Amino acid sequence: GQQVMQIPQYQHVQEGEDFTTYCNSSTTLSNIQWYKQRPGGHPVFLIQLVKSGEVKKQKRLTFQFGEAKKNSSLHITATQTTDVGTYFCAGREGNTPLVFGKGTRLSVIA
Amino acid sequence: DAGVIQSPRHEVTEMGQEVTLRCKPISGHDYLFWYRQTMMRGLELLIYFNNNVPIDDSGMPEDRFSAKMPNASFSTLKIQPSEPRDSAVYFCASSFQGTLMGSEQFFGPGTRLTVL
Repeated sequence: GQQVMQIPQYQHVQEGEDFTTYCNSSTTLSNIQWYKQRPGGHPVFLIQLVKSGEVKKQKRLTFQFGEAKKNSSLHITATQTTDVGTYFCAGREGNTPLVFGKGTRLSVIA
Repeated sequence: DAGVIQSPRHEVTEMGQEVTLRCKPISGHDYLFWYRQTMMRGLELLIYFNNNVPIDDSGMPEDRFSAKMPNASFSTLKIQPSEPRDSAVYFCASSFQGTLMGSEQFFGPGTRLTVL
């Protein structure tokens, strides 16, 4: 079945450093979504990418969808303590339900 | 809108007991999902409904788990009998998927289940 792999599992950065998490699918995706879960909280939708090679930005966050629609990345520029949490990618193949990666847990040291 | 509502927020029970988790999706949403989250396995989809009809329950771990959606505003996930390995956070999520590509899922606050 479809699998979504996410790396790294954990990332510790100094405040102000950049952060990137990568997502890879075993199959071609119709779209990919990114979610953020704060410690003790629930996943909250960030963005959806649909087109091959698509790049979207939200302030300091940059999301990319690979040309082959099998990988994606989330890059945070100049991390802040408010960025702490776990970032999940979730991919969909055709009209099937989302499959979530295991997430990357980000710690930001002030 | 209050968002997705789940109850209880925390549940501690003893092995062998029946556990019922409840969810009220966002009004107007036509899809409802039940997930289980653990450190080891991450976020796993257990079952999802479309217009109150179960579509795919292949993620339900075993026959001890069952889910119902009697109407558009209420769903339950039942574990009977519960076992310690069922300890996890259970999330309910809903979405309005008016297009083939789907849309974002709105998660509830979750129920933290501990089975002793």
